[in-house]
Amino acid sequence: GESVGLHLPTLSVQEGDNSIINCAYSNSASDYFIWYKQESGKGPQFIIDIRSNMDKRQGQRVTVLLNKTVKHLSLQIAATQPGDSAVYFCAENKGSSYKLIFGSGTRLLVRP
Amino acid sequence: DGGITQSPKYLFRKEGQNVTLSCEQNLNHDAMYWYRQDPGQGLRLIYYSQIVNDFQKGDIAEGYSVSREKKESFPLTVTSAQKNPTAFYLCASSSGPLAGGPGPGELFFGEGSRLTVL
Repeated sequence: GESVGLHLPTLSVQEGDNSIINCAYSNSASDYFIWYKQESGKGPQFIIDIRSNMDKRQGQRVTVLLNKTVKHLSLQIAATQPGDSAVYFCAENKGSSYKLIFGSGTRLLVRP
Repeated sequence: DGGITQSPKYLFRKEGQNVTLSCEQNLNHDAMYWYRQDPGQGLRLIYYSQIVNDFQKGDIAEGYSVSREKKESFPLTVTSAQKNPTAFYLCASSSGPLAGGPGPGELFFGEGSRLTVL
């Protein structure tokens, strides 16, 4: 079946460096994508979203890039901080559906 | 403060028992959701409700039941028919699609309920 997945289960970066978390999706009909951050023992928190009519969207220290040609989504975090350590999930949605399909997550570890 | 409250945070259950997880929101959101999360995995949708007195099955609804009698509340019952109920359960709510846009809108999650079957 179609699903959302991640290339790297764990990413370790030096504090201050930029982080790039990748996500592959297989449903070409998906038109809305979201990144969530989940800290240990807590519920996920919304980071940023992007619609399929966009290639790039920027937030505060975060940028999401969407490449529909290869069905690839990435989250870039600038100047990574210790507080960024968490599991990051991408999720996809199709049309007016209320259903989000989540990937399995990438753990980001920030080294001091 | 506005938000979503899940209770209990930790719950232990014996095999064969039903258990109900509470989810309350004061965000005035129409839509509410229940997700299940297993270790090292993403979230899987159990049930969702777009409006009061209406709900739909998600991808893994078997062994679960819900009700939506009030806008603020969306309790989840884990029945004895659920074969592997030990998991982290997350409730969320959203206001629905953003104006002119796709999707359910931003989901706000509770802190989760961890259920362990002994």
